[in-house]
Amino acid sequence: EDQVTQSPEALRLQEGESSSLNCSYTVSGLRGLFWYRQDPGKGPEFLFTLYSAGEEKEKERLKATLTKKESFLHITAPKPEDSATYLCAVQAVGGSQGNLIFGKGTKLSVKP
Amino acid sequence: DAGVIQSPRHEVTEMGQEVTLRCKPISGHNSLFWYRQTMMRGLELLIYFNNNVPIDDSGMPEDRFSAKMPNASFSTLKIQPSEPRDSAVYFCASSFGGYVDTQYFGPGTRLTVL
Repeated sequence: EDQVTQSPEALRLQEGESSSLNCSYTVSGLRGLFWYRQDPGKGPEFLFTLYSAGEEKEKERLKATLTKKESFLHITAPKPEDSATYLCAVQAVGGSQGNLIFGKGTKLSVKP
Repeated sequence: DAGVIQSPRHEVTEMGQEVTLRCKPISGHNSLFWYRQTMMRGLELLIYFNNNVPIDDSGMPEDRFSAKMPNASFSTLKIQPSEPRDSAVYFCASSFGGYVDTQYFGPGTRLTVL
């Protein structure tokens, strides 16, 4: 069964303290891996797409990387405005284009 | 553009009642997705439309749930009869061509079934 597991469930950082979020996946064939940011009371906001092992994408203080079994979202020198829940999702080969399997997310809190 | 519009934002109903959630996608987007989010199960795809046609409804829990998209600018998700386990936040999202990296989510409808 296709599955996505995110860790940790929650992460508290001090402003400027860099860290990484993990997304482990089990899927018969990976079509794509997606990272989202979700603020309280809002819908998820798309951040990155990764398609193949070794691929990296960057946006401001965030960098996403992908291996054959997991993805990491690295946060460099975070600021309080980076506080949110970060969701990871995979799209499997053979599934419909719109069918994503989501992890339960990592809730990030950055204290000033 | 106003983004994806969902209504109502909050709905409280009693078990057994019919609930209808509404979504207006972003103009020009031809794919529409309904998701459900709970603490226990996270975010799950319920159904996905492309050009107003349901493409994948494998996530629809059971016959109590139905979704329609009568035109490119409107979709509904109906639950009849509702049950307490249906309590969740329901999100609508739209994109062009079904591509996730052009997908925008609405603000969600928080449904509470008593």
